[in-house]
Amino acid sequence: GAVVSQHPSRVICKSGTSVKIECRSLDFQATTMFWYRQFPKQSLMLMATSNEGSKATYEQGVEKDKFLINHASLTLSTLTVTSAHPEDSSFYICSARPSGGAGVGTEAFFGQGTRLTVV
Amino acid sequence: DAKTTQPNSMESNEEEPVHLPCNHSTISGTDYIHWYRQLPSQGPEYVIHGLTSNVNNRMASLAIAEDRKSSTLILHRATLRDAAVYYCILSVSGSARQLTFGSGTQLTVLP
Repeated sequence: GAVVSQHPSRVICKSGTSVKIECRSLDFQATTMFWYRQFPKQSLMLMATSNEGSKATYEQGVEKDKFLINHASLTLSTLTVTSAHPEDSSFYICSARPSGGAGVGTEAFFGQGTRLTVV
Repeated sequence: DAKTTQPNSMESNEEEPVHLPCNHSTISGTDYIHWYRQLPSQGPEYVIHGLTSNVNNRMASLAIAEDRKSSTLILHRATLRDAAVYYCILSVSGSARQLTFGSGTQLTVLP
């Protein structure tokens, strides 16, 4: 089946530094990718929608200048957490869905997640 | 997006069937019913989806009520590896839109 690869799986950074997380669709093209954040014992919360060749769309309450998204190709989206603080520590997950007709290619595929710890 | 309601947690014994319920009373005619599961410290994994008819795949079965206002994910023989949070989500067919996650059901499988 289709695979979405996310890298790194775990990162520890110092407060004030920036961290980049990559999300790749390995065997399909994705004009749209999604970035979620998950705090311990909570569900996934959508942060932003990454659009190839155009600006990302951010959910209410998510700072676009802090969470920079770049969707440079049909198979790669990156999330950069800028000037990270301890409260940004979380599990970040990307997702992509191949577009398709009724009943075809409608399932979503998720990366394995990135555990970010800001110290 | 239409909302789904699931029990917070369920328990099952190993090698016994598990029925995970989901209510979606405000489902629209074009909404597919999707199930995903998330193991600890991993991204969600697709399980199954359907529109009106019951569906079977190698992982599970999906039973959809005739009025489509509820559905049940069936794991025929639970294993310890099936312990996860199971999410029931509604999604428009053919759409590349994001999935909106509820709180899901934490399934515990007892040996």
